[in-house]
Amino acid sequence: EVQLVESGGGLVKPGSSLKLSCVASGFTFSSYGMHWIRQAPKKGLEWIALIYYDSSNKYYADSVKGRFTISRDNSKNTLYLEMNSLRSEDTAMYYCAKTARYWGQGVMVTVSS
Amino acid sequence: DVVLTQTPPTLSATIGQSVSISCRSSQSLLHSNGNTYLHWLLQRPGQSPQLLIYLVSRLESGVPNRFSGSGSGTDFTLKISGVEAEDLGVYYCVQGTHALTFGSGTKLEIK
Repeated sequence: EVQLVESGGGLVKPGSSLKLSCVASGFTFSSYGMHWIRQAPKKGLEWIALIYYDSSNKYYADSVKGRFTISRDNSKNTLYLEMNSLRSEDTAMYYCAKTARYWGQGVMVTVSS
Repeated sequence: DVVLTQTPPTLSATIGQSVSISCRSSQSLLHSNGNTYLHWLLQRPGQSPQLLIYLVSRLESGVPNRFSGSGSGTDFTLKISGVEAEDLGVYYCVQGTHALTFGSGTKLEIK
């Protein structure tokens, strides 16, 4: 059974940094690209980043480009999202996903002074 | 960037009623490999999204067959033939042909 478990969220002040993790199990993690997707409160889904299976390519939404970094450690079956210069508009539930089929339960990030 | 325009934003249906949701793409979602990576998700209140339909019309395992998808190129439709109470939530179309983009969602309410 595929499982994706996010962690690392919390309440932070504007301008600060946070690093999210997503531990994967139930499939060969090193063979698949992975996404981060977020959902602001009462809003729709927004794709924010993709990393290829071997980290050879990374893509970002314009809203986070230059501030967020996606990475992975295939030896630990773990996906990361490093978030810098956080803004109030980054407040959202953050999901990791393997294609559109498998989603984690999400982790909440709140950016507020 | 691909934009998915999803309509209507809200739907109110009675139990047993059939409803449809439209998803229109700003560019063709036909991939060079012949697949069209247009999928439909349901997000129930307080839950992560779940896959209902993939590759336009393929029913995800465990999903009731009252759900069906159709379309091609830039125009796609999700149909629920006989709404049930458990179908309430927000439906999203999502394309994976060009990175990943979501429609704006359709909230289904039960009258």
